[in-house]
Amino acid sequence: DGGITQSPKYLFRKEGQNVTLSCEQNLNHDAMYWYRQDPGQGLRLIYYSQIVNDFQKGDIAEGYSVSREKKESFPLTVTSAQKNPTAFYLCASTSPFGVTEAFFGQGTRLTVV
Amino acid sequence: DQQVKQNSPSLSVQEGRISILNCDYTNSMFDYFLWYKKYPAEGPTFLISISSIKDKNEDGRFTVFLNKSAKHLSLHIVPSQPGDSAVYFCAASRNAGGTSYGKLTFGQGTILTVHP
Repeated sequence: DGGITQSPKYLFRKEGQNVTLSCEQNLNHDAMYWYRQDPGQGLRLIYYSQIVNDFQKGDIAEGYSVSREKKESFPLTVTSAQKNPTAFYLCASTSPFGVTEAFFGQGTRLTVV
Repeated sequence: DQQVKQNSPSLSVQEGRISILNCDYTNSMFDYFLWYKKYPAEGPTFLISISSIKDKNEDGRFTVFLNKSAKHLSLHIVPSQPGDSAVYFCAASRNAGGTSYGKLTFGQGTILTVHP
């Protein structure tokens, strides 16, 4: 089945450590996105990539980094510079053909202690 | 600045009745609107969308209405079922040449509870 896989589902890290969240899709989608959800808030865009080897900052990119070396993969690194890293992180992708909705993965809950 | 707002944090409805979820936006450049349903600790799942060239789109029990002059959209669920209980997010995008459909601006969400 085609879809978006995020791993791990739960992640615990010590304060000051960098951590990388995985996102893989087999939908043959060109564009991929990372969102963050905090309690009582909507999803906010961190980074997005519309093509391999290219990515753009979203609304809250500070303290995060991404890479897009392969079409299928868009990993997100939460660096020690991110002041409030504890959140629910969601990866999404969209097809380039016509009007279509974004498909989301199941999310990764990151807790920094 | 919150460009997409869902002013009702929660809504409680009896099974079989209509659920109406509302959403307002401020950016007149938005031209594509979506509703997503989300359960805790899961990713959102797409429900229904509407382009700014339309004022209504229907899919089964779900209907989305768009009032561009008021910058307002609403999701109607008829009849409501207990399985509809979830958080509902509205989202908007600006279709810059067809490359921005996933670059969404979300509202804060509305928790819908449908009682049996």
